[in-house]
Amino acid sequence: GAVVSQHPSWVICKSGTSVKIECRSLDFQATTMFWYRQFPKQSLMLMATSNEGSKATYEQGVEKDKFLINHASLTLSTLTVTSAHPEDSSFYICSARDQEGAAFFGQGTRLTVV
Amino acid sequence: QKEVEQNSGPLSVPEGAIASLNCTYSDRGSQSFFWYRQYSGKSPELIMSIYSNGDKEDGRFTAQLNKASQYVSLLIRDSQPSDSATYLCASGPGGYQKVTFGTGTKLQVIP
Repeated sequence: GAVVSQHPSWVICKSGTSVKIECRSLDFQATTMFWYRQFPKQSLMLMATSNEGSKATYEQGVEKDKFLINHASLTLSTLTVTSAHPEDSSFYICSARDQEGAAFFGQGTRLTVV
Repeated sequence: QKEVEQNSGPLSVPEGAIASLNCTYSDRGSQSFFWYRQYSGKSPELIMSIYSNGDKEDGRFTAQLNKASQYVSLLIRDSQPSDSATYLCASGPGGYQKVTFGTGTKLQVIP
């Protein structure tokens, strides 16, 4: 299957600072990537769809000015959590699809805001 | 609202038994169906995909799809303690469009 690499795997930041998470497709070109958030013992929640060369599409209730998504190339999408607060602490996961629709996930980034 | 429903569990089975995980979906336009395994603290990993009615086998795993009943299942034969995880069912229209995930079923395999 496709390989998706996410970095960093964990990060601790101070409240009010910004954190950037990178998601790379290593062996294929992904025009579309997806960003999820998962709180402990809860299901995956789709935050936004990242589109190469155009604006991301955000799910209802997700603040686009807080969660900045950039998809500048066919192999890289980034999610920046701006002015992070403790309630933003979560597990953030990116994914890309193959042509049959199967989602392949990055390793995930555990964000802790203190 | 497109939904994928799963029993949250936990489903407990003894080692060596068959674990049966079930999933229903609401969107009749769904063409692609997937099962993912997620260990605690890790991201999901794809274990099975199925696109047509019937059974699909891969090692100890068998996926079953019944589009008329809008039902997908996953059977795990000879369950091992290492199979203990949360299993996510997902469905989608196919292609590069987003899929809808269920909330997952927690499986516990008892040694």
